[in-house]
Amino acid sequence: GAVVSQHPSRVICKSGTSVKIECRSLDFQATTMFWYRQFPKKSLMLMATSNEGSKATYEQGVEKDKFLINHASLTLSTLTVTSAHPEDSSFYICSARDRVEYGYTFGSGTRLTVV
Amino acid sequence: SQQGEEDPQALSIQEGENATMNCSYKTSINNLQWYRQNSGRGLVHLILIRSNEREKHSGRLRVTLDTSKKSSSLLITASRAADTASYFCATGGIYGQNFVFGPGTRLSVLP
Repeated sequence: GAVVSQHPSRVICKSGTSVKIECRSLDFQATTMFWYRQFPKKSLMLMATSNEGSKATYEQGVEKDKFLINHASLTLSTLTVTSAHPEDSSFYICSARDRVEYGYTFGSGTRLTVV
Repeated sequence: SQQGEEDPQALSIQEGENATMNCSYKTSINNLQWYRQNSGRGLVHLILIRSNEREKHSGRLRVTLDTSKKSSSLLITASRAADTASYFCATGGIYGQNFVFGPGTRLSVLP
């Protein structure tokens, strides 16, 4: 089945630094990938839709200059949290879809802690 | 915005019992999916039911969809301790919009 690899699984960074999270579709091509943020014991909140070869579409309230998304190829999308602050600490998850009947395949998530 | 709403938000049962979770949504959909998430992990797709389907089975899972009531239910039969997780429903719009997730049901299956 479709596999989405997300890296890193955990990252701790200092305030003011930037962190890049990668999401790769391993055995299929994904023209569209999605980035979510999840707070503890809460549901996923869609942040943005990553489109291969074009600009990402951000959800209302998500700062595009804060969360930079690049979808440079059909198998890789990256989310960069720029000038991270403690309030950016969260669980970030990406997803992509191979075939409709398979549903969306999610990465294993990245736990970001900003100290 | 979130439109899937799972009910209950938390459910605790004994091993062997059945667990039923419900999901309601607001707009027209193309399909509805159920996902499972173990603590601190990514989501695992469980089952997809299309808007023209009323019931679907997969192993110990049974999903129903009532488009007139804009609701779906997930039944896990003969639950096991390993079923302990959060379960989310997600809806896909008729125009291929992104999936939106409800807050989830935290299921605890006690041995």
